[in-house]
Amino acid sequence: GEQVEQLPSSLIVQEGASVLINCSYTDSASVYFPWYKQEPGKRLQFIIDIRSNMERKQTQRLTLLFDKKTKHLSLHITATQPGDSAIYFCSASKANSAGNKLTFGIGTRVLVRP
Amino acid sequence: GPKVLQIPSHQIIDMGQMVTLNCDPVSNHLYFYWYKQILGQQMEFLVNFYNGKVMEKSKLFKDQFSVERPDGSYFTLKIQPTALEDSAVYFCASSLGTGQLYFGEGSKLTVL
Repeated sequence: GEQVEQLPSSLIVQEGASVLINCSYTDSASVYFPWYKQEPGKRLQFIIDIRSNMERKQTQRLTLLFDKKTKHLSLHITATQPGDSAIYFCSASKANSAGNKLTFGIGTRVLVRP
Repeated sequence: GPKVLQIPSHQIIDMGQMVTLNCDPVSNHLYFYWYKQILGQQMEFLVNFYNGKVMEKSKLFKDQFSVERPDGSYFTLKIQPTALEDSAVYFCASSLGTGQLYFGEGSKLTVL
């Protein structure tokens, strides 16, 4: 089945710096890639997604790049703030008529120091 | 934004007992999911449910597990009987279609 890998597993940055999280997947049938953020003790919160017919998506301080050939994604967060401290999860889905079964990576723990 | 509610947030039970985890999905959503996360490990898909039926389940969804949503009320995950390895946080999610999933805050199950 699908496997999703994330690197790094954790990182610490100073407020204002940028963060880059890498994600790779194995199943070429995956077509939908949502990312979630989980602050301590809180629910997973959707932050950005991309479909396999796109190469790039940007919202405010987030940029998500997708390379179908290498099965690789990268999430770039600019101008980080302490509120960005969380675990970030990459996920992949075939998004078919059975709904949206997500395969998650193990997460990247980001700590932004003020 | 829309919220998925889970009850209870935390439950401790003895091995062999039955447990029911309840999920109140986003009101107009049509697809419902359960995921399991053991501490320090990946969140893993258990099952999804649509139109009153299980659509897909993983190998983690053992015979002791069942899901239902009677009369549009709570979407429930029942484990009977429980085993030690069922200790985990169980996340419910819902979606309108094949897009974004909305997650609950999780139900932490401890089996002694």
